[in-house]
Amino acid sequence: DIQMTQSPSSMSASLGDTVTITCLASQDIGNYLSWYQQKPGKSPKLMIYGATNLEDGVPSRFSGSRSGSDYSLTINSLGYDDEGIYHCHQYYEYPLTFGSGTKLEIK
Amino acid sequence: QVNLLQSGAALVKPGASVKLSCKASGYTFTDYYIHWVKQSHGKSLEWIGYINPNSGYTNYNEKFKSKATLTVDKSTNTAYMELSRLTSEDSATYYCTGVYYGLGDWFAYWGQGTLVTVSS
Repeated sequence: DIQMTQSPSSMSASLGDTVTITCLASQDIGNYLSWYQQKPGKSPKLMIYGATNLEDGVPSRFSGSRSGSDYSLTINSLGYDDEGIYHCHQYYEYPLTFGSGTKLEIK
Repeated sequence: QVNLLQSGAALVKPGASVKLSCKASGYTFTDYYIHWVKQSHGKSLEWIGYINPNSGYTNYNEKFKSKATLTVDKSTNTAYMELSRLTSEDSATYYCTGVYYGLGDWFAYWGQGTLVTVSS
């Protein structure tokens, strides 16, 4: 199975900051990676697919990038609404796998 | 638009089985594969498997092959997941998600989740 090593597991940032969350894939997954935001008690929400493609309706403050086997989600100009858990997900091959999640707190 | 409505929370005894439902609306039921995802402890996500509603073909995560059974009822546009021989490790929130046939397996559409609690 493909392992997705996500970091950090939690982080705290201030309003207006820029933060980056990273997932390292244990093998090549091409650009078959998506990112989700999850609020407490809610279903995950798709933010990015294909490593860099912004889902419709997602603010342009969110962006995805790739460097080799490292995939990153960057959030610019942090707002209170960005608080939640972020998950990466590879869909290159079965079984589909997720990172362990990053809890983002806004100070 | 794609809407997935899941059944309500379930409290089940160890060793028992439970059948969760995911009713689809707003689209042609056979156009989207239904995937199921488990979330334990409110954080980590695990992919259980998917079913093609048109053919009934299923693909399971090996880890859940003896635990979960996926089915559909095309007459009611409903997908089901039955979990068997439940233990405390199966206590979790389970989500169904819809993936458009022919696209990649990213999850744009989610049900609201069903909380399963296994307790005597």
